[in-house]
Amino acid sequence: QQQVKQSPQSLIVQKGGISIINCAYENTAFDYFPWYQQFPGKGPALLIAIRPDVSEKKEGRFTISFNKSAKQFSLHIMDSQPGDSATYFCAAGVMDSNYQLIWGAGTKLIIKP
Amino acid sequence: EPEVTQTPSHQVTQMGQEVILRCVPISNHLYFYWYRQILGQKVEFLVSFYNNEISEKSEIFDDQFSVERPDGSNFTLKIRSTKLEDSAMYFCASSLYEKLFFGSGTQLSVL
Repeated sequence: QQQVKQSPQSLIVQKGGISIINCAYENTAFDYFPWYQQFPGKGPALLIAIRPDVSEKKEGRFTISFNKSAKQFSLHIMDSQPGDSATYFCAAGVMDSNYQLIWGAGTKLIIKP
Repeated sequence: EPEVTQTPSHQVTQMGQEVILRCVPISNHLYFYWYRQILGQKVEFLVSFYNNEISEKSEIFDDQFSVERPDGSNFTLKIRSTKLEDSAMYFCASSLYEKLFFGSGTQLSVL
């Protein structure tokens, strides 16, 4: 019940295309869903996050779509750029549990120029 | 922008030796964490620390692990007797609320 399942494991997208990464969770107590971006040799950095009271959140080229009934959320990167090439992790957590996060397995995204 | 700093960036040790990984969290943050990541795979939660005590820990965080905040700035992870399977990248993180800020990590290699 504590798992967060992320897919795909790797993704290759042409420059200018849309990158889509999906995550699913089981624990209905989760109420915070962040996406982290990690470049090689660096720690993860928060990209965008959503709470379950909204179905979509957009920040620039990055959008989270959230489907509470299906217990799924996804990251969409519009107009993907080579600089977006990184590993992306979804995570889920409960806000009153010291912000402990359960992480997906990660998606290695490569944007081909 | 303030950042979490970790030292050393790389640590090589012999199996059975003790190691201490050091972190300086962002100064006004209240929550502190250690995570680890093996070979660019899943990020695994080890422990969270709040109000000078462990608030949660995972199954990975057994008796060989301990954390301390010895002064107002440092946050350390000690592994008493390292095993080969402890080889990983260890990340420190801190937060004021839900946004976690991660350091660049310490790559621990146990030989």
